Amino acid sequence: DQQVKQNSPSLSVQEGRISILNCDYTNSMFDYFLWYKKYPAEGPTFLISISSIKDKNEDGRFTVFLNKSAKHLSLHIVPSQPGDSAVYFCAAAGAPGANNLFFGTGTRLTVIP
Amino acid sequence: DGGITQSPKYLFRKEGQNVTLSCEQNLNHDAMYWYRQDPGQGLRLIYYSQIVNDFQKGDIAEGYSVSREKKESFPLTVTSAQKNPTAFYLCASSISGQGISNYGYTFGSGTRLTVV
Repeated sequence: DQQVKQNSPSLSVQEGRISILNCDYTNSMFDYFLWYKKYPAEGPTFLISISSIKDKNEDGRFTVFLNKSAKHLSLHIVPSQPGDSAVYFCAAAGAPGANNLFFGTGTRLTVIP
Repeated sequence: DGGITQSPKYLFRKEGQNVTLSCEQNLNHDAMYWYRQDPGQGLRLIYYSQIVNDFQKGDIAEGYSVSREKKESFPLTVTSAQKNPTAFYLCASSISGQGISNYGYTFGSGTRLTVV
Protein backbone atom coordinates (compact mmCIF):
# COMPACT_ATOMS: atom_id res chain seq x y z
CA ASP A 1 0.00 0.00 0.00
CA GLN A 2 1.58 3.22 -1.19
CA GLN A 3 1.54 5.70 1.67
CA VAL A 4 3.24 8.43 -0.30
CA LYS A 5 1.98 9.17 -3.78
CA GLN A 6 3.16 11.29 -6.64
CA ASN A 7 0.39 11.12 -9.19
CA SER A 8 2.19 12.93 -11.99
CA PRO A 9 4.90 10.72 -13.47
CA SER A 10 6.24 13.55 -15.61
CA LEU A 11 6.18 17.33 -15.96
CA SER A 12 7.57 19.63 -18.64
CA VAL A 13 8.22 23.30 -17.98
CA GLN A 14 9.76 26.11 -19.96
CA GLU A 15 13.04 27.51 -18.65
CA GLY A 16 12.45 30.48 -16.36
CA ARG A 17 8.92 29.45 -15.45
CA ILE A 18 7.74 27.85 -12.23
CA SER A 19 7.79 24.08 -11.72
CA ILE A 20 5.29 22.66 -9.24
CA LEU A 21 5.67 19.05 -8.15
CA ASN A 22 2.96 17.53 -6.01
CA CYS A 23 2.90 14.80 -3.40
CA ASP A 24 0.09 13.28 -1.33
CA TYR A 25 0.30 11.03 1.69
CA THR A 26 -2.15 8.89 3.58
CA ASN A 27 -0.58 8.42 7.03
CA SER A 28 -1.44 11.34 9.29
CA MET A 29 1.34 10.29 11.68
CA PHE A 30 4.09 11.37 9.30
CA ASP A 31 5.84 14.36 10.85
CA TYR A 32 8.67 15.13 8.47
CA PHE A 33 8.81 15.38 4.71
CA LEU A 34 11.73 15.50 2.33
CA TRP A 35 12.35 16.00 -1.37
CA TYR A 36 15.14 14.23 -3.19
CA LYS A 37 16.47 14.84 -6.68
CA LYS A 38 17.83 12.01 -8.79
CA TYR A 39 19.78 11.99 -12.02
CA PRO A 40 19.95 8.80 -14.16
CA ALA A 41 22.31 6.12 -12.86
CA GLU A 42 22.99 8.11 -9.69
CA GLY A 43 21.68 7.98 -6.15
CA PRO A 44 19.12 10.53 -4.98
CA THR A 45 20.44 13.66 -3.31
CA PHE A 46 18.65 15.56 -0.59
CA LEU A 47 17.04 18.78 -1.76
CA ILE A 48 14.82 20.28 0.90
CA SER A 49 12.70 19.21 3.85
CA ILE A 50 9.89 20.43 6.05
CA SER A 51 8.65 19.56 9.51
CA SER A 52 4.96 19.07 10.14
CA ILE A 53 4.94 22.07 12.48
CA LYS A 54 5.60 24.35 9.52
CA ASP A 55 3.67 25.03 6.35
CA LYS A 56 6.49 26.45 4.26
CA ASN A 57 10.23 26.11 3.94
CA GLU A 58 12.31 28.01 1.44
CA ASP A 59 15.86 27.46 0.21
CA GLY A 60 16.92 29.60 -2.70
CA ARG A 61 14.90 28.69 -5.77
CA PHE A 62 13.21 25.80 -3.95
CA THR A 63 10.18 26.11 -1.69
CA VAL A 64 8.21 23.29 -0.13
CA PHE A 65 4.63 23.85 1.03
CA LEU A 66 2.80 21.55 3.42
CA ASN A 67 -0.97 21.35 3.82
CA LYS A 68 -1.52 18.94 6.69
CA SER A 69 -5.31 19.01 6.54
CA ALA A 70 -5.17 17.92 2.91
CA LYS A 71 -2.18 15.60 3.47
CA HIS A 72 -0.52 17.30 0.57
CA LEU A 73 2.83 18.86 -0.08
CA SER A 74 4.33 20.54 -3.09
CA LEU A 75 7.75 21.59 -4.29
CA HIS A 76 8.05 24.86 -6.19
CA ILE A 77 11.10 25.64 -8.28
CA VAL A 78 11.40 29.24 -9.43
CA PRO A 79 12.87 30.01 -11.89
CA SER A 80 13.28 26.57 -13.46
CA GLN A 81 16.60 25.84 -15.11
CA PRO A 82 17.61 23.06 -17.54
CA GLY A 83 19.90 21.62 -14.86
CA ASP A 84 16.80 20.99 -12.75
CA SER A 85 15.75 18.25 -15.18
CA ALA A 86 15.72 15.10 -13.07
CA VAL A 87 13.40 12.75 -11.20
CA TYR A 88 12.09 14.19 -7.94
CA PHE A 89 11.06 11.92 -5.09
CA CYS A 90 8.91 12.94 -2.20
CA ALA A 91 9.55 11.09 1.08
CA ALA A 92 7.92 11.01 4.49
CA ALA A 93 9.08 9.97 7.95
CA GLY A 94 7.79 9.60 11.46
CA ALA A 95 5.30 6.81 11.20
CA PRO A 96 5.18 5.03 14.57
CA GLY A 97 7.24 1.86 14.56
CA ALA A 98 8.87 2.68 11.26
CA ASN A 99 12.45 3.91 11.30
CA ASN A 100 12.71 4.45 7.59
CA LEU A 101 11.60 6.86 4.91
CA PHE A 102 8.60 6.15 2.72
CA PHE A 103 9.10 7.27 -0.86
CA GLY A 104 6.74 8.28 -3.60
CA THR A 105 7.09 6.95 -7.12
CA GLY A 106 8.81 10.05 -8.43
CA THR A 107 8.07 12.77 -10.97
CA ARG A 108 10.34 13.31 -13.95
CA LEU A 109 10.82 17.02 -14.51
CA THR A 110 12.01 18.25 -17.88
CA VAL A 111 12.95 21.91 -18.17
CA ILE A 112 12.91 23.01 -21.78
CA PRO A 113 15.52 25.61 -22.74
CA ASP B 1 35.54 12.98 1.84
CA GLY B 2 32.76 11.16 3.66
CA GLY B 3 30.17 9.26 1.70
CA ILE B 4 28.70 5.96 0.64
CA THR B 5 30.37 3.75 -1.92
CA GLN B 6 28.47 1.12 -3.83
CA SER B 7 30.20 -1.39 -6.03
CA PRO B 8 30.13 -2.50 -8.69
CA LYS B 9 28.23 0.13 -10.68
CA TYR B 10 27.04 -2.46 -13.18
CA LEU B 11 26.65 -6.17 -12.50
CA PHE B 12 25.53 -9.01 -14.73
CA ARG B 13 24.30 -12.25 -13.28
CA LYS B 14 23.36 -15.52 -14.82
CA GLU B 15 20.10 -17.04 -13.78
CA GLY B 16 20.48 -19.28 -10.74
CA GLN B 17 23.53 -17.46 -9.39
CA ASN B 18 23.81 -15.54 -6.17
CA VAL B 19 25.49 -12.14 -6.32
CA THR B 20 26.55 -9.74 -3.59
CA LEU B 21 26.33 -5.97 -3.87
CA SER B 22 28.73 -3.97 -1.75
CA CYS B 23 27.87 -0.89 0.29
CA GLU B 24 30.43 0.91 2.44
CA GLN B 25 30.06 4.20 4.31
CA ASN B 26 32.55 6.32 6.22
CA LEU B 27 30.01 8.76 7.63
CA ASN B 28 29.85 7.03 11.00
CA HIS B 29 26.14 6.53 10.44
CA ASP B 30 24.37 3.97 12.58
CA ALA B 31 21.57 3.03 10.20
CA MET B 32 21.86 1.60 6.71
CA TYR B 33 19.24 0.70 4.13
CA TRP B 34 18.83 -1.11 0.83
CA TYR B 35 16.26 0.05 -1.72
CA ARG B 36 15.32 -1.23 -5.10
CA GLN B 37 14.15 1.03 -7.90
CA ASP B 38 12.06 -0.22 -10.81
CA PRO B 39 10.57 1.98 -13.52
CA GLY B 40 7.37 3.62 -12.32
CA GLN B 41 7.57 2.11 -8.86
CA GLY B 42 9.76 4.47 -6.92
CA LEU B 43 12.01 3.19 -4.17
CA ARG B 44 11.03 0.05 -2.31
CA LEU B 45 12.73 -0.97 0.93
CA ILE B 46 14.44 -4.36 0.93
CA TYR B 47 16.28 -4.48 4.27
CA TYR B 48 17.50 -2.04 6.84
CA SER B 49 19.82 -2.12 9.82
CA GLN B 50 19.86 0.29 12.75
CA ILE B 51 22.87 -1.14 14.55
CA VAL B 52 25.64 -3.63 13.98
CA ASN B 53 24.59 -7.30 14.01
CA ASP B 54 20.93 -6.39 13.66
CA PHE B 55 18.72 -5.94 10.61
CA GLN B 56 15.06 -6.03 9.68
CA LYS B 57 13.12 -6.98 6.58
CA GLY B 58 11.58 -4.26 4.51
CA ASP B 59 8.65 -4.49 2.13
CA ILE B 60 10.28 -6.75 -0.47
CA ALA B 61 12.86 -8.86 1.40
CA GLU B 62 12.07 -12.19 -0.26
CA GLY B 63 14.99 -13.50 -2.27
CA TYR B 64 17.49 -11.19 -0.59
CA SER B 65 19.83 -11.47 2.38
CA VAL B 66 22.04 -9.02 4.24
CA SER B 67 24.63 -8.90 6.99
CA ARG B 68 25.86 -6.10 9.24
CA GLU B 69 29.09 -7.31 10.82
CA LYS B 70 30.67 -3.87 10.75
CA LYS B 71 29.18 -0.42 11.17
CA GLU B 72 30.66 0.69 7.85
CA SER B 73 29.43 -2.19 5.71
CA PHE B 74 26.01 -3.51 4.71
CA PRO B 75 26.31 -5.96 1.79
CA LEU B 76 23.22 -7.22 -0.01
CA THR B 77 23.07 -10.70 -1.53
CA VAL B 78 20.60 -11.27 -4.32
CA THR B 79 19.87 -14.98 -4.23
CA SER B 80 18.58 -17.28 -6.94
CA ALA B 81 15.23 -17.22 -5.11
CA GLN B 82 14.66 -13.62 -6.25
CA LYS B 83 12.49 -14.12 -9.31
CA ASN B 84 12.96 -10.73 -10.91
CA PRO B 85 16.29 -9.33 -9.78
CA THR B 86 16.98 -6.99 -12.68
CA ALA B 87 16.77 -3.51 -11.15
CA PHE B 88 18.68 -0.52 -9.86
CA TYR B 89 19.77 -1.04 -6.25
CA LEU B 90 20.42 1.86 -3.90
CA CYS B 91 22.12 1.80 -0.53
CA ALA B 92 21.56 4.60 1.96
CA SER B 93 22.57 5.52 5.47
CA SER B 94 21.36 7.85 8.17
CA ILE B 95 22.83 9.09 11.44
CA SER B 96 20.32 7.10 13.39
CA GLY B 97 17.30 5.05 12.51
CA GLN B 98 15.51 7.00 15.19
CA GLY B 99 16.57 10.37 13.93
CA ILE B 100 15.97 10.26 10.23
CA SER B 101 13.48 13.06 10.56
CA ASN B 102 16.32 15.44 11.21
CA TYR B 103 18.78 14.37 8.62
CA GLY B 104 17.21 12.13 6.05
CA TYR B 105 19.32 9.72 4.06
CA THR B 106 22.61 9.86 2.27
CA PHE B 107 22.51 7.63 -0.80
CA GLY B 108 25.16 5.79 -2.72
CA SER B 109 25.36 6.04 -6.49
CA GLY B 110 23.65 2.69 -7.02
CA THR B 111 24.31 -0.65 -8.68
CA ARG B 112 22.45 -1.72 -11.78
CA LEU B 113 21.97 -5.47 -11.76
CA THR B 114 21.01 -7.28 -14.94
CA VAL B 115 20.18 -10.96 -15.18
CA VAL B 116 21.37 -12.49 -18.45
